[in-house]
Amino acid sequence: NAGVTQTPKFRVLKTGQSMTLLCAQDMNHEYMYWYRQDPGMGLRLIHYSVGEGTTAKGEVPDGYNVSRLKKQNFLLGLESAAPSQTSVYFCASRPSDTVPGELFFGEGSRLTVL
Amino acid sequence: AQKVTQAQTEISVVEKEDVTLDCVYETRDTTYYLFWYKQPPSGELVFLIRRNSFDEQNEISGRYSWNFQKSTSSFNFTITASQVVDSAVYFCALAYSGAGSYQLTFGKGTKLSVIP
Repeated sequence: NAGVTQTPKFRVLKTGQSMTLLCAQDMNHEYMYWYRQDPGMGLRLIHYSVGEGTTAKGEVPDGYNVSRLKKQNFLLGLESAAPSQTSVYFCASRPSDTVPGELFFGEGSRLTVL
Repeated sequence: AQKVTQAQTEISVVEKEDVTLDCVYETRDTTYYLFWYKQPPSGELVFLIRRNSFDEQNEISGRYSWNFQKSTSSFNFTITASQVVDSAVYFCALAYSGAGSYQLTFGKGTKLSVIP
């Protein structure tokens, strides 16, 4: 019973490098989200998707791109990493009910940009 | 604008003390939902409760209780007889309708340390 799985769990990048974080969920959820968590800032929404093939910007989308080619996967890309993107990234999903239910979170991915 | 304020950044209590975590929210929506999540030191986020804007009834679950007051736009969380396992960061969140789906905005969190 995997739930929401994020890979990789840890990554160190140099400024300017690119990388992709993968989020996979096995609960057949329509909605998926990417958040970042920084000390003293709580969780801030980067991008989200309300279904396969759709994406939308959240509160802090700059410097990130996303894709939802398959319903179960939601990819977060950094084209040219910057030290300001050092953070813990959380993926979350939920069913497409009309009432916002519980968000199911992954375990987080800690990214350090040097 | 939607906003959640958790004014308490860090709280320390001695085991068995009661503690209340404050949450104040701002929204223009008449229909909205409020949540509490727990993030223990291991890092995962654990759902604790959801409350909709039409239900102001307080809720109790074991040692946990929640006080929702629309008049003061508050959704406070009380832990009775705290235990070391309650040590965590607690987030209050507001779900509001935007761009065709509900979005969640989180407060900055309150770090609770329960000292044995």
